[in-house]
Amino acid sequence: GQQVMQIPQYQHVQEGEDFTTYCNSSTTLSNIQWYKQRPGGHPVFLIQLVKSGEVKKQKRLTFQFGEAKKNSSLHITATQTTDVGTYFCAGPGAGGTSYGKLTFGQGTILTVHP
Amino acid sequence: DVKVTQSSRYLVKRTGEKVFLECVQDMDHENMFWYRQDPGLGLRLIYFSYDVKMKEKGDIPEGYSVSREKKERFSLILESASTNQTSMYLCASSLFELKNIQYFGAGTRLSVL
Repeated sequence: GQQVMQIPQYQHVQEGEDFTTYCNSSTTLSNIQWYKQRPGGHPVFLIQLVKSGEVKKQKRLTFQFGEAKKNSSLHITATQTTDVGTYFCAGPGAGGTSYGKLTFGQGTILTVHP
Repeated sequence: DVKVTQSSRYLVKRTGEKVFLECVQDMDHENMFWYRQDPGLGLRLIYFSYDVKMKEKGDIPEGYSVSREKKERFSLILESASTNQTSMYLCASSLFELKNIQYFGAGTRLSVL
């Protein structure tokens, strides 16, 4: 089935350092979503990217969708301890695009040391 | 605010028991989903439903069934629980029009002994 690969699995940074997680698909994606899950919490929707080459910003977070619509990245500038958690990308699931079926990447667990 | 409520936060069951996990959403969403989350594997879709009494298999449906008798409620059933079903189970819902924005419940951590 369709797979979305996400790297790295873990990232440890010092507070103030930048962080990037990458999401790759073997097939073209019509859209991609990013979710954040705080420790002990549940995934929360962050953003959706739809257009080729699209770049969106949310404060210190920058989301990009590749020109070929096969990859995406999330970059956090000057991390803070509030950024800790697991970041997931999610693309449309095979065979269920009409109903919002998503295929999630494995997630990147971000730890920020104060 | 959308609220997705899962009936139990923690559950401990014995091997072979029939287990029901309940999920209720209060925003009249058409789509509902059940995932399991395991370390290093992300969220894997078990089943989803796009309407009352309608259900579709996800990526890992074996050993599970679902029920959606009312629009707001989506139940996950483990017919005969096994130890390899020990996991975190997450329910989610979405609007048909905004189908890729899913709202998640707090999760049920199920331990099968």
